[in-house]
Amino acid sequence: AQSVTQPDIHITVSEGASLELRCNYSYGATPYLFWYVQSPGQGLQLLLKYFSGDTLVQGIKGFEAEFKRSQSSFNLRKPSVHWSDAAEYFCAVAPRSGQNFVFGPGTRLSVLP
Amino acid sequence: NAGVTQTPKFQVLKTGQSMTLQCAQDMNHNSMYWYRQDPGMGLRLIYYSASEGTTDKGEVPNGYNVSRLNKREFSLRLESAAPSQTSVYFCASRSMSVVYEQYFGPGTRLTVT
Repeated sequence: AQSVTQPDIHITVSEGASLELRCNYSYGATPYLFWYVQSPGQGLQLLLKYFSGDTLVQGIKGFEAEFKRSQSSFNLRKPSVHWSDAAEYFCAVAPRSGQNFVFGPGTRLSVLP
Repeated sequence: NAGVTQTPKFQVLKTGQSMTLQCAQDMNHNSMYWYRQDPGMGLRLIYYSASEGTTDKGEVPNGYNVSRLNKREFSLRLESAAPSQTSVYFCASRSMSVVYEQYFGPGTRLTVT
């Protein structure tokens, strides 16, 4: 069965520090990969996605993610975190044909001033 | 262009009551989805509709029914609410074009007492 793991439930970083959020997936074939962000009381907003090609993808708000096929990972990074980045982050996978998106459990990011 | 809208934003039900959550999108998307979000579990798919006139079960369909009223609207019905259905419910839509990602509504916070 497809699954997505995000090993870190909660991460705290200082403003200006770098960030890496981990995502691993279990899937029969390389799926489409996504990172979404959810601010408190809000819906989910897409940060970036990977379909094919360059394994380093750039997204909004200065985020990037790297797809590593050998590790079945799609980790999210940001070189310098801003206080407004405090939110919950979800990794998701979707089949290249089909409808079912599978979401990870989420990582909550706190940012210290 | 409102994107994906959901009503109501908040609802409190007593056990055994029924209600319908409404969702509409104005992006001319073919596919629509209902998810529930519970702490530590990410988003779990309840039902989806790949196109007008079709609906399919997701990961957690028990206790729910859906109706794809037309291309714009996709409703979720709880016939006899249970405390286990206390959750935040998100509707999403998706185009089948190369864009591919899902767009989410703001959510409905439902409490069943």
